[in-house]
Amino acid sequence: ILNVEQSPQSLHVQEGDSTNFTCSFPSSNFYALHWYRWETAKSPEALFVMTLNGDEKKKGRISATLNTKEGYSYLYIKGSQPEDSATYLCAPGNTDKLIFGTGTRLQVFP
Amino acid sequence: DTAVSQTPKYLVTQMGNDKSIKCEQNLGHDTMYWYKQDSKKFLKIMFSYNNKELIINETVPNRFSPKSPDKAHLNLHINSLELGDSAVYFCASSLRGGRNTGELFFGEGSRLTVL
Repeated sequence: ILNVEQSPQSLHVQEGDSTNFTCSFPSSNFYALHWYRWETAKSPEALFVMTLNGDEKKKGRISATLNTKEGYSYLYIKGSQPEDSATYLCAPGNTDKLIFGTGTRLQVFP
Repeated sequence: DTAVSQTPKYLVTQMGNDKSIKCEQNLGHDTMYWYKQDSKKFLKIMFSYNNKELIINETVPNRFSPKSPDKAHLNLHINSLELGDSAVYFCASSLRGGRNTGELFFGEGSRLTVL
């Protein structure tokens, strides 16, 4: 069973704070790293798909980095807003399928 | 228009019954998936079809049988339901499958409760 770990499990921040989460995964047989945003009562929505070591992607206030050699990815949110409250899932691709972590649950208080 | 739609959203049934969950995508994607969200909130892949052909079949009891009549539809049929089958089942699609998959587009989930 492949071990995908996301930390922290949950996070409470004030509006305006910047925050980051970690996704750790086995580096062997890796082919891609996906980040998804999952709001309560909705379905997961893709944020980023990264494949190359050193990749950095940005969407508005959210950005992500990828280190395939050591097997980790960081997701950063700058100036968190209440609407950023959601669970953030990472899913490394290994061999032929994505393996989802349990996510980091972020709550942003006004 | 909903890109990936699943029906029903909620399903409550008795142990031993047979039930189906339907999924349709209007994105023109080649690949569709069924995921199960288990009690620990993990999304675990069950099946994947690429253009109606089964390409991923995880260790799932053979009471679960996927059917893909065309590449826009992937239905999940479950025979002889057990208490442990209670979960939220998510359908998803992607432009391509395997190592070249792009982002996944998920349906809203179908919550199955077995009594």
